[in-house]
Amino acid sequence: VQLQESGPGLVKPSQTLSLTCTVSGGSINSSAYYWTWIRQPAGKGPEWIGRIYTSGSSNYNPSLKSRVTISVDTSKNQFSLKLSSVTAADTAVYYCARGGLSLFYFDFWGPGTLVTVSS
Amino acid sequence: SYVLTQPPSVSVAPGKTARITCGGNNIGTKSVHWYQQKPGQAPVLVIYYDTDRPSGIPERFSGSNSGNTATLTISGVEAGDEADYYCQVWDSSSDHLYVFGTGTKVTVL
Repeated sequence: VQLQESGPGLVKPSQTLSLTCTVSGGSINSSAYYWTWIRQPAGKGPEWIGRIYTSGSSNYNPSLKSRVTISVDTSKNQFSLKLSSVTAADTAVYYCARGGLSLFYFDFWGPGTLVTVSS
Repeated sequence: SYVLTQPPSVSVAPGKTARITCGGNNIGTKSVHWYQQKPGQAPVLVIYYDTDRPSGIPERFSGSNSGNTATLTISGVEAGDEADYYCQVWDSSSDHLYVFGTGTKVTVL
């Protein structure tokens, strides 16, 4: 399984950050996995943003919940992240990853993409 | 939310043993997972469910978990083990679900 993030590397403050993760080598329709977004500011540890199941059921980090939407497009084997009203504090490397329905860890990660929030 | 605390840095000579701790309230009752992250790369799972190694991870990597501390042990440290290491748990008691530790930089002397 391989995951690859894509999207703009620069977003203006107050705008919406949008990223897509394309999954290859496996079906996003699998009932065994959650598809997850994680971010990591420079010099800090990873932070879980949220996850989505193939059915569209999702869970979000409470600290970001009011600004985050994760969606899935099974026809394209992709899932997406939208983070609204961004500030400089949202500058980070954003990763998509696969987590198990009953495994509770992340076994495959994308290489990550740096998103900078700046005017 | 649940907090995981790691020492910022650990230094070890080649061939020696590095021990990286991850502290949390009654962490022994949770399953702990460990990731290795080299500069500019995504984290890689090295230990899951406290003690299990994914395929391709050397036997030099091992884990334990009891009480308020989980430990990742790297035996016979090699230069290529120099990286940041993060512990992670699933916190079913809160909406945060997945919690990562603060991270430990392992330096091979």
